[in-house]
Amino acid sequence: SQQGEEDPQALSIQEGENATMNCSYKTSINNLQWYRQNSGRGLVHLILIRSNEREKHSGRLRVTLDTSKKSSSLLITASRAADTASYFCATEDRGSTLGRLYFGRGTQLTVWP
Amino acid sequence: NAGVTQTPKFQVLKTGQSMTLQCAQDMNHEYMSWYRQDPGMGLRLIHYSVGAGITDQGEVPNGYNVSRSTTEDFPLRLLSAAPSQTSVYFCASSYRVVAGGPGGQFFGPGTRLTVL
Repeated sequence: SQQGEEDPQALSIQEGENATMNCSYKTSINNLQWYRQNSGRGLVHLILIRSNEREKHSGRLRVTLDTSKKSSSLLITASRAADTASYFCATEDRGSTLGRLYFGRGTQLTVWP
Repeated sequence: NAGVTQTPKFQVLKTGQSMTLQCAQDMNHEYMSWYRQDPGMGLRLIHYSVGAGITDQGEVPNGYNVSRSTTEDFPLRLLSAAPSQTSVYFCASSYRVVAGGPGGQFFGPGTRLTVL
């Protein structure tokens, strides 16, 4: 089964710094999505980028997608302690009309005050 | 809207017992899915449904059954619980992603299951 792989597995930064997480995947996709999970909670959808898009912004989030390298990055600018969470990428296979997503193992982000 | 609700929040079973994890959504979403999350792993898809009366297997379906008699409800049944099924279970729902739509799945808060 296809699964995204996030890199790094863990990231520790100070408040105000930028956090960059990367995701690589294996096959052609319809879209790639990023989710956040706070400890002990369900996942929350952050942003979706389609295969024909290269960059997308939402507030302090910036996502890029390079389909030739089968990779994506999530940038959180001016991070806050409240951004501490696990971040997952998820992909939907090209041609899929079923909404099936394949998740990576996640990056654990810790932002120190 | 309540979004996606799951019950129970916690459950302890003995090996061989059966139980049903409940999931409901009030957003009229077509798609619903069940995932399990184990330490150090991402989410793995157990079963999913693209509408009432239609279900299919995901990556790890063995030991689980689902049915979808209504748009709102998507229960997950453990037939004969095993320690390997100790995990956190998440239900999710979504619209079909269409051009210009926001996309993304909505997740419930999870059920933490321990099988002794």
